Amino acid sequence: GQQLNQSPQSMFIQEGEDVSMNCTSSSIFNTWLWYKQDPGEGPVLLIALYKAGELTSNGRLTAQFGITRKDSFLNISASIPSDVGIYFCAGPFPGGSEKLVFGKGTKLTVNP
Amino acid sequence: KAGVTQTPRYLIKTRGQQVTLSCSPISGHRSVSWYQQTPGQGLQFLFEYFSETQRNKGNFPGRFSGRQFSNSRSEMNVSTLELGDSALYLCASSPRTDLNNSPLHFGNGTRLTVT
Repeated sequence: GQQLNQSPQSMFIQEGEDVSMNCTSSSIFNTWLWYKQDPGEGPVLLIALYKAGELTSNGRLTAQFGITRKDSFLNISASIPSDVGIYFCAGPFPGGSEKLVFGKGTKLTVNP
Repeated sequence: KAGVTQTPRYLIKTRGQQVTLSCSPISGHRSVSWYQQTPGQGLQFLFEYFSETQRNKGNFPGRFSGRQFSNSRSEMNVSTLELGDSALYLCASSPRTDLNNSPLHFGNGTRLTVT
């Protein structure tokens, strides 16, 4: 089925470093979403992108909607220990916008 | 505003049993979706309900079913449980069905373990 290719699978960084992760698709998406999931909890929406080329920030997080509409990027600046978790990209399924298709996630570990 | 509430948080069942999970959406949200999360398959769409009607269903066997009540609360049921049904079941709500304009907000899930 439709999948989003998310990379990297995991990252191990030092506190204070910047982080970048991305998501690509073979299909065009009209919306890109970035979620974060902490252990034992559900995904929390970080940023929603609705327009090709859009660049949106939420504190230290910045995400971009690729101009081709087939990719998106999430950057975290000056990472802190509480950034630890799994980050997912997602988008409404191109064939039916009532459901989301997700990437496999990027697991982020931040060493203090 | 209260978030999406799922009960119970944890469940342990044995093979062959059935289970019912409950979800209360964010107040005012009429669309409720269910997702299964496993380490191997990631997040997989189960079904979506709007105004008590199932509008979309994922690629899961008929043992997985759900319903939505007039107050938008939803339940999902899994019958004849199998070991592979062990997963985190996530409920999410949205004001509308078109997720291009209204993103999903997730609950904390029900962790189901089948032994």
